[in-house]
Amino acid sequence: DAGITQSPRHKVTETGTPVTLRCHQTENHRYMYWYRQDPGHGLRLIHYSYGVKDTDKGEVSDGYSVSRSKTEDFLLTLESATSSQTSVYFCAIRQGEDEQYFGPGTRLTVT
Amino acid sequence: AQKVTQAQTEISVVEKEDVTLDCVYETRDTTYYLFWYKQPPSGELVFLIRRNSFDEQNEISGRYSWNFQKSTSSFNFTITASQVVDSAVYFCALRSQIQGAQKLVFGQGTRLTINP
Repeated sequence: DAGITQSPRHKVTETGTPVTLRCHQTENHRYMYWYRQDPGHGLRLIHYSYGVKDTDKGEVSDGYSVSRSKTEDFLLTLESATSSQTSVYFCAIRQGEDEQYFGPGTRLTVT
Repeated sequence: AQKVTQAQTEISVVEKEDVTLDCVYETRDTTYYLFWYKQPPSGELVFLIRRNSFDEQNEISGRYSWNFQKSTSSFNFTITASQVVDSAVYFCALRSQIQGAQKLVFGQGTRLTINP
């Protein structure tokens, strides 16, 4: 257990509305990541952070923004949700040299 | 470009059979790491193993074993005497370096069903 929580765990929202997902960690890890999981694609990196206020894009960042104002929280925002953003979102931290440990996931449905 | 291919989308076997999950990767890096994760029906992702590119020794952990072969760019995972609790989606992943952030590139996953 790497002390990662995600909120909310489930959310249904309408197209065009803003949505923010929260990832919270309790162990002061520097690196944090947001992935999305879709059938046939495995997990794909959306954004990552390498410190407070230090973030960068992953491979599927369009339509998403992130913020990290303190070490323990990494927020993922969908400015205007679309149906293509219906997915399961996982937050992860890097622990040790290489291993990434994942939070429990957030299932987001955009109707 | 980094890429991981898990060609087996779904596998179904009867309990106690041995099963091998295939993973083929592509990378231009001389140093890299490979991972396996398990995602049981409950949905969480569980880290199973990390292997670095300098260590080609096979690894065994109980009923699990991993066969890393650089010559064929493969990192296969075998479950011996499978059990119903092994039913899950298994992901193979490759570590890519982005400004030190160490991005993971995942395969598409293999859904393993163990039938009683």
